[in-house]
Amino acid sequence: DVKVTQSSRYLVKRTGEKVFLECVQDMDHENMFWYRQDPGLGLRLIYFSYDVKMKEKGDIPEGYSVSREKKERFSLILESASTNQTSMYLCASSFGDRAYEQYFGPGTRLTVT
Amino acid sequence: GNSVTQMEGPVTLSEEAFLTINCTYTATGYPSLFWYVQYPGEGLQLLLKATKADDKGSNKGFEATYRKETTSFHLEKGSVQVSDSAVYFCALSDTGAQKLVFGQGTRLTINP
Repeated sequence: DVKVTQSSRYLVKRTGEKVFLECVQDMDHENMFWYRQDPGLGLRLIYFSYDVKMKEKGDIPEGYSVSREKKERFSLILESASTNQTSMYLCASSFGDRAYEQYFGPGTRLTVT
Repeated sequence: GNSVTQMEGPVTLSEEAFLTINCTYTATGYPSLFWYVQYPGEGLQLLLKATKADDKGSNKGFEATYRKETTSFHLEKGSVQVSDSAVYFCALSDTGAQKLVFGQGTRLTINP
């Protein structure tokens, strides 16, 4: 079974802190994605990556950055957390030629106070 | 740009009822269409897909037909179970694109 794991299920941070969300997949997938999920807005793509050290902006990249130093790991970084970044963050991965069949982690619920 | 619109939830049904969750889309090319499901406490998982007009995707008793003339991909199930309680997301992937565009999700609750 494909497994996508995220470093924390729940996280509470203060405004202005630098926050790291980690995602690891064990199926040698080329593609990895970070989304945020908010009620009434569905999933919105923050960043994605097709390969190691490669990244592309999604629909809402402002306030975020990413790092992909190894194929299996994709990190989301909040440079200076703000209250409007309180959300559920979902990581996903997929094979290069089947980007539509994404495998999701369980999510990290981040609260910024 | 591409977009997906789902019926507003939450939807509450009794066990064995018939289910329809509406989904319509806007796309510039020839998209592929998907339904994902998120069970409580879990990540999303692909439920079914259709890659061209008039295709029917099916899985676990759920079905959806790709209707190009009405730009729709409604999810149906003839007899729902309590275990179907989840959030359902409609999504599209445009031709050659490596990304998915999701609808806002519909929360379904099935009462025994």
